[in-house]
Parts: sequence; C-alpha cells; structure tokens
Amino acid sequence: NAGVTQTPKFRVLKTGQSMTLLCAQDMNHEYMYWYRQDPGMGLRLIHYSVGEGTTAKGEVPDGYNVSRLKKQNFLLGLESAAPSQTSVYFCASSFQIYGYTFGSGTRLTVV
Amino acid sequence: RKEVEQDPGPFNVPEGATVAFNCTYSNSASQSFFWYRQDCRKEPKLLMSVYSSGNEDGRFTAQLNRASQYISLLIRDSKLSDSATYLCAVIILTGGGNKLTFGTGTQLKVEL
Repeated sequence: NAGVTQTPKFRVLKTGQSMTLLCAQDMNHEYMYWYRQDPGMGLRLIHYSVGEGTTAKGEVPDGYNVSRLKKQNFLLGLESAAPSQTSVYFCASSFQIYGYTFGSGTRLTVV
Repeated sequence: RKEVEQDPGPFNVPEGATVAFNCTYSNSASQSFFWYRQDCRKEPKLLMSVYSSGNEDGRFTAQLNRASQYISLLIRDSKLSDSATYLCAVIILTGGGNKLTFGTGTQLKVEL
C-alpha cells in the first residue's frame, strides 16, 4: 500500500507564482488534511475535508485554497506565493478520528 | 493561549535514563489524545494513543489526566535511537468534523 503520497517533494517558487500540491491516498479514508510545519510552530492545520466535495478552513487558511473533487485526492493551491509560505507541508488522511496517516511532506521555498 | 502546549526542550539525557514529557491542552471538548514521534525532516508517525487508564508499550508509558487537562509520556531506559521530536496531539470534535491539533513538539537527544 502506498498510503498517503504527496507530490512534489521539493519546490522553489518565485514570489507571485502559483502552484498546486497534490495529496493522494489509497486507504479509502473520508477525512483529509493539509498542515504546514515551521520551526518552533509545530504543525498547524491549513484546511481539511470530511468527504468528497467538502472542504473547511483550519487554523491558518489565508493564502491557500483547496479542492476535494475525488475522495482519494486533496489539492492545496497557492494562487500567489509569498515568502511567508515557505514551509514544509504535510498531508494526512484518517478514518474518522482514528488512524491518521501522514505523507512524507513537500518542502516549499518561496524566494 | 495555544490549544496544545509542550516544553520545546531540548532534553539532553544519557543513554539508559528515564525521561518524561508533559503536554497540556486547553479545550475541555478534546476527545482523543496521542503521542507522535517525528524524526528530522520526516513526517510524524503515531507512537501511541493515550487513555485515561494509562497505557504502556514496551519502554513507553502514556497517561491522561482529564481533570488537569494534561497528558504525559514516560520513556524508560532511553536508547540513542529514541532521539527525535515528540509531538502531543489532541482531537477536538467540532460541528465541521474532527481536527487533530498538535503541540509544538519536545526535542529529545539521547547521548552516550
């Protein structure tokens, strides 16, 4: 089983560019999440989804958009990247409140 | 106030030592509690769930105190391979679904 797969693993963007991070899970989980992790800040929830076609804001949603058109995929978009969005992004999925599985992360640098 | 708070450390301990981490949470609606381990530049991985009755997995013991709203992790006979960041996490049920909220993590360094 692949579990949770994130693409790309690394990316460097210029300020103002846009990009989409893809998260794919093969565990048939209803819940999916996007977190960012910064030094000294822990993991902070950006957006999450409780099922296909649904999304909700987390703790730090500004500057990001998400879509969950298919149950297995959760996309995170940056419309106009800013240096403050330099971070490590982790996707996770879960079966209800148990069994959170994380992807290996995307390291994004905005210059 | 952060919903989940931890001492960031680092905790530098000799091999074989016993080390304890505490974590406090502010939302009394928190439903489930976990300890995760995160190695440098890797994703968090579930170490153990935490129950009110306490639970043990080998050298690791976790405890939940709902009245005082804190959870703890005890590591006995520390190994060099235990060096990592330990994150506590709580699930808060909301109208929009459950959310796993993390503390900032406590760094452990086990030394010879």
